[in-house]
Parts: sequence; structure tokens; C-alpha cells
Amino acid sequence: GAGVSQSPSNKVTEKGKDVELRCDPISGHTALYWYRQSLGQGLEFLIYFQGNSAPDKSGLPSDRFSAERTGGSVSTLTIQRTQQEDSAVYLCASTPTEYNSPLHFGNGTRLTVT
Amino acid sequence: AQKVTQAQTEISVVEKEDVTLDCVYETRDTTYYLFWYKQPPSGELVFLIRRNSFDEQNEISGRYSWNFQKSTSSFNFTITASQVVDSAVYFCALTPNAGNNRKLIWGLGTSLAVNP
Repeated sequence: GAGVSQSPSNKVTEKGKDVELRCDPISGHTALYWYRQSLGQGLEFLIYFQGNSAPDKSGLPSDRFSAERTGGSVSTLTIQRTQQEDSAVYLCASTPTEYNSPLHFGNGTRLTVT
Repeated sequence: AQKVTQAQTEISVVEKEDVTLDCVYETRDTTYYLFWYKQPPSGELVFLIRRNSFDEQNEISGRYSWNFQKSTSSFNFTITASQVVDSAVYFCALTPNAGNNRKLIWGLGTSLAVNP
């Protein structure tokens, strides 16, 4: 079956612009995660959605970052007024449930802020 | 402190060599899970193995094997007879207590290059 799909695969934007990154999880997976992978650093948890529960936003680095998940499926991560330090690969993952289920990742969106 | 250390930043081997990727972890919890993920050049992290803290049996899957030793807090990964397709970044990760992907603690990864 189809895996986790992310778009765009690459995004170059000017500092100060807003960007939207999209994630389409595996059908039937109730849990969805966004991670950020910066050069030389490990994966950084950003936000988590589980079913209809309130999202866990504890990993979002600033109020310029937000995310939503519509209909329990597709998720959009929005970064407003992008900064150069936002340049990274943004990875989306989904799991059937949360606890210790292996993550199924998409290919990521490489964001470059110039 | 909860931490995962992958001391090897980059490893380069010639095809058919065996290679071991080290992973050392720190946790206060008695129950935890350890993972290995592979990130090939395409970018998609792929799950390789999950091990819980009560299962110290080593595991072998084809050319891959894992050595879990609680006494040294290590969960090392060995690739036997490496192939070019094994070239990737490999991440070790720890989720403490009952297991929660939001609490995953990731190592910085080891970049493996297998040369023909």
C-alpha cells in the first residue's frame, strides 16, 4: 500500500515568507508526527496528532510554527515569517497507534530559506 | 539524563567487509525501547528493529544482527558482508518508560559508505 507522502520534496523560500508543508499519512494510521532534521543534529520532535484529541504542540520551536490535521488524515505544517534557521528537512511520520509502534516516515521536505 | 550516543560519525568500508555501528544509551528507566532506523539517500527513514529492555537476546535478520547488552548500555548493529545498498545514515533511538514516540531520543546518526 501507499506509504507516507510529503510535498513538496524541496522548497526554497525567501526569508520572511510563509510556507506550507503537506503530509498524507498511511491510511488508517491514527497517529501523525512532524519532526525536523537539521544538519548535524538528531531528529527533533515538533508536533503530534492522535485521532480527534488535542495535538501535542510541545515541540514547536516558536509561535511562527503551527500545524493542523484535517479529517484525521492530511496534515499541514505552516511556518510563518521564515528565518534562515528554519532551513532543515521536515519529516512526517505516522503509526497505527502511538505507543512504541515503529514510525513510518515520508521522504521529507527539504526547506531552504535564503 | 536520557541520551543516545553514536560515537561514529562516518564509516567507510569496502563491499563485503563486516561493519559494526555502535550505540550507547543512558536512561533512568527500567522499561524502555531501543530502535534502529536506516535513512538512505532518498531521505525516508526506515524502521529496522525494536527491542524492549527485558529482551536481551541478540537478533539476526539476514546480514543484519544486533547485540543488546544492558551491562554496558549498548545496542550495537552489525552488517555482515556489506553491500553498496547498505550505504545510508543509521540512527539509534531510545524511548523511555512505556514507550512513546513523542519522547524518542535520537542519536546523531552514523553515516555509512560502502564502496564497491
